[in-house]
Amino acid sequence: GEEVAQTPKHLVRGEGQKAKLYCAPIKGHSYVFWYQQVLKNEFKFLISFQNENVFDETGMPKERFSAKCLPNSPCSLEIQATKLEDSAVYFCASSPLSGTYNSPLHFGNGTRLTVT
Amino acid sequence: DAKTTQPPSMDCAEGRAANLPCNHSTISGNEYVYWYRQIHSQGPQYIIHGLKNNETNEMASLIITEDRKSSTLILPHATLRDTAVYYCIVRATGKSTFGDGTTLTVKP
Repeated sequence: GEEVAQTPKHLVRGEGQKAKLYCAPIKGHSYVFWYQQVLKNEFKFLISFQNENVFDETGMPKERFSAKCLPNSPCSLEIQATKLEDSAVYFCASSPLSGTYNSPLHFGNGTRLTVT
Repeated sequence: DAKTTQPPSMDCAEGRAANLPCNHSTISGNEYVYWYRQIHSQGPQYIIHGLKNNETNEMASLIITEDRKSSTLILPHATLRDTAVYYCIVRATGKSTFGDGTTLTVKP
């Protein structure tokens, strides 16, 4: 497709439950990025993929967060045992060529996760 | 990636040009300057980017100083729909590091 599609739009989980978010990048884009926006203006980079391979995971909390991008499937971000501080909007972005840095990111409209 | 500094907020009259500044004094030679905006809680929208030269597209113009330590995004004829948070990012690695952005309010 021509847009980055994120599902679901809203997700509510009780503390300790698992949350799984999905992202379908724009067709033909090799790079996928996940960002977390907790407060209104603060974006935190989590992880990026080049096709199905992890490209940069320096922002990933290792203990409870995991992500995958498998062939012919939407990418996913999973949070095991959610905590209240995981409440945020999670944005996915895709890009055709990250390596040249001369390629903008195309963002989806996010998944709002609320942990109660 | 280099850090950027933007004013937290700006106002602009509808129909006038909006000039949004960004300082990136520690920018490296291979880092691009990107601008995005976020309207309400939607995903950030790409506006424009450049390396050294000034750039223009259908949305905006980007002016980069000769020493590349600062830049200005220009929306030539701001409309109410341009009210948003504008982010200036310098990028060399795959990820983009967002700062706090500038909240632009376009007023009638």
